[in-house]
Amino acid sequence: DADVTQTPRNRITKTGKRIMLECSQTKGHDRMYWYRQDPGLGLRLIYYSFDVKDINKGEISDGYSVSRQAQAKFSLSLESAIPNQTALYFCATSEPGTSGRRQFFGPGTRLTVL
Amino acid sequence: GENVEQHPSTLSVQEGDSAVIKCTYSDSASNYFPWYKQELGKRPQLIIDIRSNVGEKKDQRIAVTLNKTAKHFSLHITETQPEDSAVYFCAAREQGAQKLVFGQGTRLTINP
Repeated sequence: DADVTQTPRNRITKTGKRIMLECSQTKGHDRMYWYRQDPGLGLRLIYYSFDVKDINKGEISDGYSVSRQAQAKFSLSLESAIPNQTALYFCATSEPGTSGRRQFFGPGTRLTVL
Repeated sequence: GENVEQHPSTLSVQEGDSAVIKCTYSDSASNYFPWYKQELGKRPQLIIDIRSNVGEKKDQRIAVTLNKTAKHFSLHITETQPEDSAVYFCAAREQGAQKLVFGQGTRLTINP
């Protein structure tokens, strides 16, 4: 969906560098998520946030941190990048309400750590 | 926590035939099951979803069935077309943590 944007779309960095991936949405959704995608491993949750003051770890949060600057913005940081963090990263948002909470994904950021 | 297993990992069918992808989940309290389609180089796109109070849902050529007793759900695509070629992911939503757990994906190839 064009309502969920990610920057940068591609990034090559070196081991040990700090890097930030940004996500913005205009859908008005309260919940935002960061996923990592590796071949054969599906989508794995890194962090998620239910509102500006709520941050939760996902299944693979080690080596990552996040910041929810506003309802519409959710950033993912790699404090000291390592090669096995090379992956495709997706931001997602989900609908308000108690049923369904359909998730919508951003276009992804392809990160390469040399 | 929830665990979702998806099979097969790859599936090849002739154009016009049907394709079925199956997922099992571990948490009987999970209550929402979406399916996503991801074309090469693109983002995952929601194609159909089902809630635990429904046994089957259909949308044109795609359908999803849910068996809560056995804790499995399936995606059915009929009259397959070349544009159905993609990776498909199932997911289950954990009731407690309110987050999705994804299967490992199925690469579907439609042969002309």
